[in-house]
Amino acid sequence: DTGVSQDPRHKITKRGQNVTFRCDPISEHNRLYWYRQTLGQGPEFLTYFQNEAQLEKSRLLSDRFSAERPKGSFSTLEIQRTEQGDSAMYLCASSLHPGTGPNEQFFGPGTRLTVL
Amino acid sequence: AQSVTQLDSQVPVFEEAPVELRCNYSSSVSVYLFWYVQYPNQGLQLLLKYLSGSTLVKGINGFEAEFNKSQTSFHLRKPSVHISDTAEYFCAVYFGNQFYFGTGTSLTVIP
Repeated sequence: DTGVSQDPRHKITKRGQNVTFRCDPISEHNRLYWYRQTLGQGPEFLTYFQNEAQLEKSRLLSDRFSAERPKGSFSTLEIQRTEQGDSAMYLCASSLHPGTGPNEQFFGPGTRLTVL
Repeated sequence: AQSVTQLDSQVPVFEEAPVELRCNYSSSVSVYLFWYVQYPNQGLQLLLKYLSGSTLVKGINGFEAEFNKSQTSFHLRKPSVHISDTAEYFCAVYFGNQFYFGTGTSLTVIP
């Protein structure tokens, strides 16, 4: 399967612990997005990369969240000192961005985080 | 920032009946519009998109949507639904290099 993959699929952690999620995009895609989705809500933009450059971060992204895409391929999202409010589904998506205008985003299955 | 409003959180409909899922967005400038579907325990999949041109857009699985600039709407329709259409549907706007999603409409097809 050559779609977007995310690891782990589920993560249960205790409040105050750090967690890291990984996203592997479709190989030729240069853009990678991270979203958070809570129950009854649509995906909420967190940040995106074009190649290895992080071009935009949501104001909702607190300083406990950090994302990297070191070689322009896979990306990691780390949450430090987790809080119960961080419990959500974290979605990754990738797209090929040749120029102006959007292209289809392909979504991964998500990582469900539960903070106890 | 953009906002996307999906007016109906849940829509039950009988099999083979028509359905319309409503979406309104807030923008006075040109935007790009999308509908995504999320089946249980799966990632989001693109149903259709409007970038420019004809205001009636056809997508996969028999769905279509009509862009109405004056009403800032992008409603999704299907003339005859199937059990397999039961899923969560999200309307999204692309603006300023970001996607803004609505809160979703849960479509339940009743046999």
